[in-house]
Amino acid sequence: DSGVTQTPKHLITATGQRVTLRCSPRSGDLSVYWYQQSLDQGLQFLIQYYNGEERAKGNILERFSAQQFPDLHSELNLSSLELGDSALYFCASSAPPGQGGETQYFGPGTRLLVL
Amino acid sequence: AQKITQTQPGMFVQEKEAVTLDCTYDTSDPSYGLFWYKQPSSGEMIFLIYQGSYDQQNATEGRYSLNFQKARKSANLVISASQLGDSAMYFCAMREGRSGGSNYKLTFGKGTLLTVNP
Repeated sequence: DSGVTQTPKHLITATGQRVTLRCSPRSGDLSVYWYQQSLDQGLQFLIQYYNGEERAKGNILERFSAQQFPDLHSELNLSSLELGDSALYFCASSAPPGQGGETQYFGPGTRLLVL
Repeated sequence: AQKITQTQPGMFVQEKEAVTLDCTYDTSDPSYGLFWYKQPSSGEMIFLIYQGSYDQQNATEGRYSLNFQKARKSANLVISASQLGDSAMYFCAMREGRSGGSNYKLTFGKGTLLTVNP
């Protein structure tokens, strides 16, 4: 158990819908990262938050958005869902710089299926 | 150009034998970190080992060691005494940028599926 929690574990929805994925980082970690794992694209970085602020953006679609709340949990919002959005979505967290922040610890993932 | 290349889509090894999973990387940044993660069929991503670009010694964690050859830009994972539970997908990943910064996004390779035979 990495200490990172993600809910829900599985999500089945229809095209055009909107869903919210939730992540709680390990205790003391300030950084939260979101990744998408799909068969055709592999593992891709989406976005990073550090202590409530957006720090880096990767290949995140405009239909997707995220935020990190004052209690450091994060949510990834996916809207106008398409079949191609079906994937495993991971959240990861890391400690602050100078406190072992090199390593990202991953949550169990949310498996999204868009029908 | 791909930043992380794992050339072995699949590998087979006999139980109790050692196996090396290949990883080459491409970066012009002098400061970077290299990671290996394991993904069993259940789907979770498990951190195995880390090597910093300035580390003089190869990293080791139990049965895992990282064969870091900086000039060749390779960071191969060596698993000694393979166990049936080692059967999984293994991903090599890289973080570019200075250590101590707060942006540690990872770039992943496509992975190697390791099967351990009894």
